[in-house]
Amino acid sequence: AQSVTQPDIHITVSEGASLELRCNYSYGATPYLFWYVQSPGQGLQLLLKYFSGDTLVQGIKGFEAEFKRSQSSFNLRKPSVHWSDAAEYFCAVGKSHNTDKLIFGTGTRLQVFP
Amino acid sequence: GAGVSQTPSNKVTEKGKYVELRCDPISGHTALYWYRQSLGQGPEFLIYFQGTGAADDSGLPNDRFFAVRPEGSVSTLKIQRTERGDSAVYLCASSLTQAGDTQYFGPGTRLTVL
Repeated sequence: AQSVTQPDIHITVSEGASLELRCNYSYGATPYLFWYVQSPGQGLQLLLKYFSGDTLVQGIKGFEAEFKRSQSSFNLRKPSVHWSDAAEYFCAVGKSHNTDKLIFGTGTRLQVFP
Repeated sequence: GAGVSQTPSNKVTEKGKYVELRCDPISGHTALYWYRQSLGQGPEFLIYFQGTGAADDSGLPNDRFFAVRPEGSVSTLKIQRTERGDSAVYLCASSLTQAGDTQYFGPGTRLTVL
């Protein structure tokens, strides 16, 4: 069965520091992988997605993620965090056999200190 | 253009009552998804429509939950005999077709069962 693990429940970084949020997935074939961000009171917004091809994908707001098949990982990175990046981040996997439901991780809450 | 909208934004009901939650997808999107997000968790898949038919309802927790999409656009999630454990944010998403198309999420309906 598909599953997604986000090992870090809560991360705190200083503004301007680099960021890496971890995501590991379990899936038999090449999955579709997504990162969404959820700000307080806001809906889920897609940051980036991976389907195939180049394993380093660029997203909005300066985020990028790298698909590593050998490690079953899809970690999200940003070189310099802004205070406005404080939010909840969710990794998700899709492309089941006959449905496109997304399986989400439990999320990582990012706190940014000035 | 308009995004996914959900009404009501908040719903408070008493245990045992019936509730309906509405989702208006992005115009032209044929795929529609319902998810449930409990406090501190990632969204959990409930049901997926392709057009008017439920293509995957494997996530509905029991027969108190059902959803319809009679004209292939607006969808209603219906919960009978609500229980306190049904309290959560119910999210709707739509996508253009399927096969990995980006799912765009609405702001959610926060359901509280007293």
